[in-house]
Order: sequence, then structure tokens, then C-alpha cells
Amino acid sequence: AQTVTQSQPEMSVQEAETVTLSCTYDTSESDYYLFWYKQPPSRQMILVIRQEAYKQQNATENRFSVNFQKAAKSFSLKISDSQLGDAAMYFCAYRSARRGGSQGNLIFGKGTKLSVKP
Amino acid sequence: NAGVMQNPRHLVRRRGQEARLRCSPMKGHSHVYWYRQLPEEGLKFMVYLQKENIIDESGMPKERFSAEFPKEGPSILRIQQVVRGDSAAYFCASSPLAGGSYNEQFFGPGTRLTVL
Repeated sequence: AQTVTQSQPEMSVQEAETVTLSCTYDTSESDYYLFWYKQPPSRQMILVIRQEAYKQQNATENRFSVNFQKAAKSFSLKISDSQLGDAAMYFCAYRSARRGGSQGNLIFGKGTKLSVKP
Repeated sequence: NAGVMQNPRHLVRRRGQEARLRCSPMKGHSHVYWYRQLPEEGLKFMVYLQKENIIDESGMPKERFSAEFPKEGPSILRIQQVVRGDSAAYFCASSPLAGGSYNEQFFGPGTRLTVL
């Protein structure tokens, strides 16, 4: 079974600085998707960024980028120029690309609570 | 195009009562996923449904929990005889297509269930 581990329960960053959130996962599959979700106090789950495992190029979305190391099964999120609105819980998630059966369900880590200091 | 709707947003039940949580997927989406988030935890998959079919219920407790997604109307997650341990946030997500290719799951705002 696949697992996702986020080893940092809490992180803190100064406004305008850069922070990196860690995520490792375990799988025997070769084709899958990885995601970072943001959950602000409103509890709404917001997709931040996604990565297809077959792509070597790291995904980037504005101030958010990932460092995807497939061999190491590592998928970290870097937030540049941190803003107060970035304060939230961040969840790393895995999804199989396999067809049939349990296709589609996301497997989440326990999350990292990010605080942004003004 | 309205997003995924869940209601109620907050639900309070006493032990032994029934809880019914509703999820209306985004327009055009025929795949629905339910997740549960316990305090201080990540979301855990419960069940995956397509219209009128349960595709995967491997994450759902065998007793007291059931889910449906009828041809017409919202998806329903039903919890019978609730216990305090059922207190959690329940999230619904929808997608337009099944797996095998990338399909984003769009999440609803969640229903927070409190069992007294």
C-alpha cells in the first residue's frame, strides 16, 4: 500500500522569505501523480500544484515550485516570497495512475502547519 | 459554474442518532469521492462512487456507514447510530472522469460533524 509522510508538523517563515515543506512517499508503482493541497482556516481544500511522475521537469505555479526526486521518492514544496495569505495547513497527496479498482482516490500525508510572520 | 456543494456545513448529533451528509458535484461531474478528516490528521479516503454505482468502498467502515449516488440528486453519506469517534470533517470531491489520466478532484467545503 502507498503511504505519504510529512515529517514537519509545523513550519514558520518570515514574510517575503522562502520556505520548503518536505514530503516523502512509498510506492511500488511507476506511474502516479503527486499533489500539494493548501487548507486555510476555512478548511476548504485548495490545489496548489501537481506533478506527473513520468515528467522529469519540476512543476511550477507562480511562487510555488516542487523538487521532485523520483528515485528518492521525495516531493518537496518551495514557497518563494511568502505572503501572510500563505499561512495554512499544507498536505502532500499521492494518486495512482493505474486504471480500475481504487483508481482516483488520493492518499494524504498528515500535513504541515505553516505560519507566516509579518 | 458552481463548485462542489456540501450541506449542511455543520451538523450536531447525539450519540445513537443518524447523520446524513449531502454532496452535489460540479456540473458535468459524475465521479464523487468522500474523505474523512479527523482532528490533527490528513484526509482519509472513504468511498468512490459513480452515478448509481459504488466503485470502491475500501476506506469505509463496514458497519453503520453507507453511501449512495443516485441517478438524480446529490450523493449521500449516511452514518447510523453515531458515536463520538465519528466527530470529524467530511469532505466530498468530484471529478469529470475516472483515473488512468490526470483528473483533478475539486473539493467541497466539508461538513463538520460533532457528536455529543
